Amino acid sequence: DADVTQTPRNRITKTGKRIMLECSQTKGHDRMYWYRQDPGLGLRLIYYSFDVKDINKGEISDGYSVSRQAQAKFSLSLESAIPNQTALYFCATSTRQGPTDTQYFGPGTRLTVL
Amino acid sequence: GIQVEQSPPDLILQEGANSTLRCNFSDSVNNLQWFHQNPWGQLINLFYIPSGTKQNGRLSATTVATERYSLLYISSSQTTDSGVYFCAVDDYGGSQGNLIFGKGTKLSVKP
Repeated sequence: DADVTQTPRNRITKTGKRIMLECSQTKGHDRMYWYRQDPGLGLRLIYYSFDVKDINKGEISDGYSVSRQAQAKFSLSLESAIPNQTALYFCATSTRQGPTDTQYFGPGTRLTVL
Repeated sequence: GIQVEQSPPDLILQEGANSTLRCNFSDSVNNLQWFHQNPWGQLINLFYIPSGTKQNGRLSATTVATERYSLLYISSSQTTDSGVYFCAVDDYGGSQGNLIFGKGTKLSVKP
């Protein structure tokens, strides 16, 4: 969905490096999420934020941190990247203000940690 | 937590064939969505369907919440339907809004 953008789209980094993935949305949604996808698996939730001051850990938050800089921006950081964090990362948004809780996903960031 | 199982894990069809994909879930849900992940990795919303039936062109979905399953129907399949289809539900008793994904059904449509 073009309303949810992620940068960078691809990134190769080395073990121990700090890296930030960014997500921006123009949908006006209050809720934002970070998921990771490993080959052959579905997506798993890393962190979620229901508004700027509400940030919560998901299923697999160890090794990650997040920042909700504004309603429209939600960043994911890997403080010290390790090879098993190699995955496809997705940002998503939703809102409780509409008729459904549909989540809309960004295009993904493919991260490789060497 | 809630469990989501999708079947079959893999499906190969000839162009023009019909198919049914199934999603079973282990507890009550507020939200159920079907997604298509295309070969380039993009996730596309197909349906928001916690209950009832919806149709969109050649695709339709039915969720029977009381029996904890959902079905996605693809009619007259096309090669562009290839990819992985995911079912995702939220945990009714947990933090609402967080989706739990099944492992997906990989569909390959041959010309």
